[in-house]
Amino acid sequence: GESVGLHLPTLSVQEGDNSIINCAYSNSASDYFIWYKQESGKGPQFIIDIRSNMDKRQGQRVTVLLNKTVKHLSLQIAATQPGDSAVYFCAENMEGGSEKLVFGKGTKLTVNP
Amino acid sequence: DTEVTQTPKHLVMGMTNKKSLKCEQHMGHRAMYWYKQKAKKPPELMFVYSYEKLSINESVPSRFSPECPNSSLLNLHLHALQPEDSALYLCASSQSTHLPETQYFGPGTRLLVL
Repeated sequence: GESVGLHLPTLSVQEGDNSIINCAYSNSASDYFIWYKQESGKGPQFIIDIRSNMDKRQGQRVTVLLNKTVKHLSLQIAATQPGDSAVYFCAENMEGGSEKLVFGKGTKLTVNP
Repeated sequence: DTEVTQTPKHLVMGMTNKKSLKCEQHMGHRAMYWYKQKAKKPPELMFVYSYEKLSINESVPSRFSPECPNSSLLNLHLHALQPEDSALYLCASSQSTHLPETQYFGPGTRLLVL
């Protein structure tokens, strides 16, 4: 759901479950999307990206799905581990180059052992 | 190697101080960025340098002054900051700004203005 005030959307899962983190992006002209993971006290870490000419891309344990019709992006994490606990941000590239990367609000994922 | 380094890790400064944040990358990237991140919020773009020239300033107050001495280094000079400027300052780099490219982030400098 939407974050209000200081509260991030949160997702709590059990270790070993699959996680799905959703993101609604704002600009139908955006042509590049990135998922970042940010652990407490660290900078955002690149996880996976996808260009607008694709609707699915897979990495190691992660899959990104892009639905341009409804401007929706999702990140699926298979067999979630405690080390996956972090805040996850989607980011969209608003213009032709990589200059303007706009981040979504973020989702806090907690993995319970 | 996708490492961006930032110094210092932590900085406490008074409102009359002058300090600088430093960022370095050795990936041959030609685009470098400064972002500001408040607690529980996403990073917000401040400045973009492309081929050592300032290409974007997101209406940042002049008390923040960026500098790109060469293609590997990016500085952010701070002067007469306000307490509301306390935040995590993130540096990032990418291959270029001509095509959509992944931006790689450093660990950030956590700044506290008293």
